[in-house]
Amino acid sequence: QSALTQPPSASGSPGQSVTISCTGTSSDIGFYNSVSWYQQHPGKAPKLMIYEVNKRLSGVPDRFSGSKSGNTASLTVSGLQAEDEADYYCSSYAGNNNLIFGGGTKLTVL
Amino acid sequence: QVQLQQWGAGLLKPSETLSLTCAVYGGSFSGYHWSWIRQPPGKGLEWIGEINHGDIIHSGSTNYNPSLKSRVTISVDTSKNQFSLKVNSMTAADTAVYYCARGFRIITDWGHGTLVTVSS
Repeated sequence: QSALTQPPSASGSPGQSVTISCTGTSSDIGFYNSVSWYQQHPGKAPKLMIYEVNKRLSGVPDRFSGSKSGNTASLTVSGLQAEDEADYYCSSYAGNNNLIFGGGTKLTVL
Repeated sequence: QVQLQQWGAGLLKPSETLSLTCAVYGGSFSGYHWSWIRQPPGKGLEWIGEINHGDIIHSGSTNYNPSLKSRVTISVDTSKNQFSLKVNSMTAADTAVYYCARGFRIITDWGHGTLVTVSS
């Protein structure tokens, strides 16, 4: 099973919105509503932000939202803040008791 | 608030076996899936495998990343609220930060990570 495809980088100015894509196939993202998004700051463990495509974990600011269309999931961060600068990873259940991750996107707040 | 505390050898020689253990504190051990995930330096996350402690019927069953399946074993010690990872025949390509975690399709909690370096 191949990794999900994410852009290596994304950026935006404070207050702007940025969307990070995560592309899979009809066997993973396109078939299951089991997409999660994780935020990882340097030297830290990842932190769950979004699960089941668009559900925010309790305590996650509503500036973070998730969606899915076909084989592509997206994470949108609205009203960018300096602390949002981090790496973001998507994951999807891929069937046959297998989980796959995206390669990660480095979000820079300009 | 669940906490995952992990430990194990951080430096291995090629062909040696990696052994890591993760203890779960402050939360229920039963009723959950427990996973291991790794991250090579400067690279993305890779799911290694999981052990199902989520229901009576499947409790103790394991699932592994197909690319690692032949070398990986995940086990659980319910008396200690711990689960473990073994990876044999380690090579330099296995150098990574290894995380223990709670969950499978949704990873809700992560250990602090253990850097494992494979070098002769």
